[in-house]
This record gives sequence, structure tokens and C-alpha cells, in this order.
Amino acid sequence: GAGVSQSPSNKVTEKGKDVELRCDPISGHTALYWYRQSLGQGLEFLIYFQGNSAPDKSGLPSDRFSAERTGGSVSTLTIQRTQQEDSAVYLCASSLTSAEQYFGPGTRLTVT
Amino acid sequence: AQKITQTQPGMFVQEKEAVTLDCTYDTSDPSYGLFWYKQPSSGEMIFLIYQGSYDQQNATEGRYSLNFQKARKSANLVISASQLGDSAMYFCAMREGFTGGGNKLTFGTGTQLKVEL
Repeated sequence: GAGVSQSPSNKVTEKGKDVELRCDPISGHTALYWYRQSLGQGLEFLIYFQGNSAPDKSGLPSDRFSAERTGGSVSTLTIQRTQQEDSAVYLCASSLTSAEQYFGPGTRLTVT
Repeated sequence: AQKITQTQPGMFVQEKEAVTLDCTYDTSDPSYGLFWYKQPSSGEMIFLIYQGSYDQQNATEGRYSLNFQKARKSANLVISASQLGDSAMYFCAMREGFTGGGNKLTFGTGTQLKVEL
């Protein structure tokens, strides 16, 4: 079956612009997670969704970051007024239970 | 304190040999899960193996096995009969809390494995 998909695969944006990153989880997976992978910080948790609600937003680094999930499926991570330190690979994962999480290919964000 | 520690930034192994990648963890929660993921140069995170804190036996999945030593808080990954395609970054991760809680994963810094002919 189809795995987790993410778009775009690569995004280059200018400092100060807003960006939207999309995640399409595995069909039927109720849990959805966003992580960020950067050279200096490794893999960091950002936010978790169960259905359309986000019980854990503890990893969002600032109020410039937000995410939503609609219809219990697709999720969008929005970064406003991007900064160079936002450059990273943004990974989305989904799971049916809280056992293994299945990851998408990621979106590489470069802020110039 | 680091929740997940991987002390080997890089490892080399000869093809067809076995290799052990180290992982220690720190939690006070009695219920937790330990995971290993593989990240090849393509960037995708591939789930390899899972061990629950209450599991009595070590997890195995094909050539992968997890050497779970609860008292020592270690969860080392053993790859048997290494193949060239095993060359990748390997991450150990932990989920704390009871299942069904939708718990985030905390990752270690990874071990870069290189399989040589």
C-alpha cells in the first residue's frame, strides 16, 4: 500500500517568507507526527496529532510554527517569517497505534 | 541527561560479518518502547525493530535482533551477515508512556555504519 507522502520534496525560500509543508499519512493511521532533522540538533519532535486534535505541541520551537490536520488525514505544517535556522529536513510520520511510526521521505527546507 | 545515547558515531564492518550498534537509554517510566530506524543516504527513515519494556524476549526481525538488557538500560542492535546495502545511518529511539498515548519518539544522535567488501 501507499506509504507516507510529503510535498514538496525540496523547498527553497527567502528569509521572512511563509512556507507550507504537506504530509499525507498512511490511510487509516490516526496518529500523525512532525519531526525536524538538522545537522546541529539531530532529530527533534515538533507536534503530534491524534485525529484532528494536537494533544502534544511541545516541540514547536516558536509561535512562528503551526500545524493543522483536517479530516483526520492530511496535515500541513506552516512556518511564518522563515529564518535561516529553520533550514532542515522536516519529516512526517504516522502510526496506527503508538508502536512503530512510519516516516515519509521528508521535505528539505532551505532558507536563504 | 540524554534520554538516548549512541556512543559510536561511525562503525565499519566487513561484508557477511555481524555488527553490534550500541544504544543506552534513560527513563523513569516503567512503560516504554525502544525502536531502531535505518536512514540510508536517500534520507527516508526505515523502521527496523521494536522492543517493549515488558517484552520478555529479545525482538528479532530477519537479520536484525535487539539485545535488550533492561537492568543496564541498553538496547543494542545486532545486524547479522552484513550486506553492502546495510550501509546507512542507524538511529535508536524511545517512546515513553503507555501505549495508546500517542507518544513522541526521542532519538539518539545516530551511528553511521559502513559495510566494506
